[in-house]
Amino acid sequence: ETGVTQTPRHLVMGMTNKKSLKCEQHLGHNAMYWYKQSAKKPLELMFVYNFKEQTENNSVPSRFSPECPNSSHLFLHLHTLQPEDSALYLCASSPKTSRDYGYTFGSGTRLTVV
Amino acid sequence: ILNVEQSPQSLHVQEGDSTNFTCSFPSSNFYALHWYRWETAKSPEALFVMTLNGDEKKKGRISATLNTKEGYSYLYIKGSQPEDSATYLCAFNGNQFYFGTGTSLTVIP
Repeated sequence: ETGVTQTPRHLVMGMTNKKSLKCEQHLGHNAMYWYKQSAKKPLELMFVYNFKEQTENNSVPSRFSPECPNSSHLFLHLHTLQPEDSALYLCASSPKTSRDYGYTFGSGTRLTVV
Repeated sequence: ILNVEQSPQSLHVQEGDSTNFTCSFPSSNFYALHWYRWETAKSPEALFVMTLNGDEKKKGRISATLNTKEGYSYLYIKGSQPEDSATYLCAFNGNQFYFGTGTSLTVIP
């Protein structure tokens, strides 16, 4: 266990469904991140939150909607997804967004859109 | 988008063999290079952070070197064991993190 917990581990959803991914950390970190990993591709940054405020949206389609109610919790709300959105979604945290710090990752949610 | 290349993409080695793989990255705007070990169905786990040209880090049988002038880092595993089987990811830390696609290592007992 790294201290970053993601739920669910696996999710299958239809294109008209609405679902949410959850990430939780109690490491005292103030920065949280969503990454997407598609097959054979590098980890792709989606969103960055620092002290609950979104500081980066990497041109992510609006069908992905992040929420960070506090520094310990991060959600990714999903609606009207496409099959090409099927991927592994990884959450990470770090003490700050400063490049002095590396990441602590969760185990990811494997999402399949049918 | 910045290119971080890892090679080989995958390799299989016999238990007891030593092995190494490469991470290549741009030599400009370098701040740090991170190595992660990622076992299937688990979280990527931080192995090393290297910041200075010529840095060498070691953790048990695993070690890494860094050449920032030519833009590469090597990861070495001495006497591979089945439990070393994992994907090894490198990440270039400049203005933000850029990950490679990883090297998938399988150690055959």
